[in-house]
This record gives sequence, C-alpha cells and structure tokens, in this order.
Amino acid sequence: AQSVTQLDSQVPVFEEAPVELRCNYSSSVSVYLFWYVQYPNQGLQLLLKYLSGSTLVKGINGFEAEFNKSQTSFHLRKPSVHISDTAEYFCAASTQGGSEKLVFGKGTKLTVNP
Amino acid sequence: KAGVTQTPRYLIKTRGQQVTLSCSPISGHRSVSWYQQTPGQGLQFLFEYFSETQRNKGNFPGRFSGRQFSNSRSEMNVSTLELGDSALYLCASSLARDRGRANYGYTFGSGTRLTVV
Repeated sequence: AQSVTQLDSQVPVFEEAPVELRCNYSSSVSVYLFWYVQYPNQGLQLLLKYLSGSTLVKGINGFEAEFNKSQTSFHLRKPSVHISDTAEYFCAASTQGGSEKLVFGKGTKLTVNP
Repeated sequence: KAGVTQTPRYLIKTRGQQVTLSCSPISGHRSVSWYQQTPGQGLQFLFEYFSETQRNKGNFPGRFSGRQFSNSRSEMNVSTLELGDSALYLCASSLARDRGRANYGYTFGSGTRLTVV
C-alpha cells in the first residue's frame, strides 16, 4: 500500500528566508508525485508534479521540488518566501499505471513572519 | 476557462438527514474524484468516476455514494448523516483517459463545507 509522510506539521520562517518542506513516500511500485497548496477556505491548487524525466521539477510561485528515488523523497523548496506563501502544503502520490486515486500526506502549515 | 465548480459552498444539516453535493468539472475532463478533508483524518479519497462509471472507491461506509452524468458532472450523496461527516468535501477533475495512461494531475474545486448538527 502507498503512504505519504510529511515530516513537519508546522514550519515557521521569516520573510525572504529559504524554506524546505519535507515529504517521503512509500510504495512498492513507481509513483507520480504532487505538491498542492491550500489557502484558508479554499480548495487545493497544484504547485508542481513529477511524472518522469528530470528529477528537479519547477512549479508556480517560485517553488521547486526534487525527486529522489533512493531516499523515496520529494521535498519542496523555495529560495525566498513571501508573506503570501503562508498556507498549508500537501504532498500527494498516485500509482503509475494504476488508479487515479491520490494519497495525501497530513499537510505542513507554512507560516511566513515579517 | 472555467475551473471546477462545486455547489453549494456551505451546508448545515441535522443528524439523520441526507445531503447531495454537486461538482461540475473543467470542460473536457472526464474523470471526477471526491475527497473528504477533516482536521483529524486529513484528506481521504472517497471515489472516482470516469465516463459515468465508478472506477475506484475509498474506505468509506455505504452511506457515501456518488454518480456521474453523461456531461461528466458528478454528485455525491451522504445518507443518514452523522456528526463525524462534518468536513470539507473536495471534488477534483482530470483529463485522465484510460487507466494506466499518463497522469495529467488534478484540478480541485473550492469545496463544500458540510456541518452536521
């Protein structure tokens, strides 16, 4: 069975500092990986996705993530955060060649302080 | 291009009642999935429909059901509501075609916030 673990439930940072949100996955087969962001009282917005190819994936709003198969990780990074990046971030996985179902991590609440 | 539209945005129901939530996917998207989001359990998969057929189902009781129409619009129904059904229900649509093809990713709606009292 698939599982996704987000190692930090809350990450506070100061504005313009770099940030890394950690995500590990567990699966016996190859997976697709996603990062979503959720602002208060809204749905999920796709930041980026890894399907295949280059392990460094660039997304919207200056975010990027690196797929590391040996460490089964897909950490999200941003070199300089803004107040507007304050939100909850979810890592998700689905099985290649299988169901369209997404398995989500528990989320990481990113708070950017001035 | 219109996004995924969920109606209503907010609902308050009484225990024992039933409720129907609606989701209109992005035009051309034939796959529609439903998720339940609660503070305790996080985001959990309910079911997925593709071309009016349920392709996959999560681990929820039979009180939770859904359907998809020929125009890809989807509804989910919860019967005999319980307090624990209070949650944000999210719908997601995808361009995904046959199972096993490349995953195009999912676009989520803003959700329906259901409160059971």
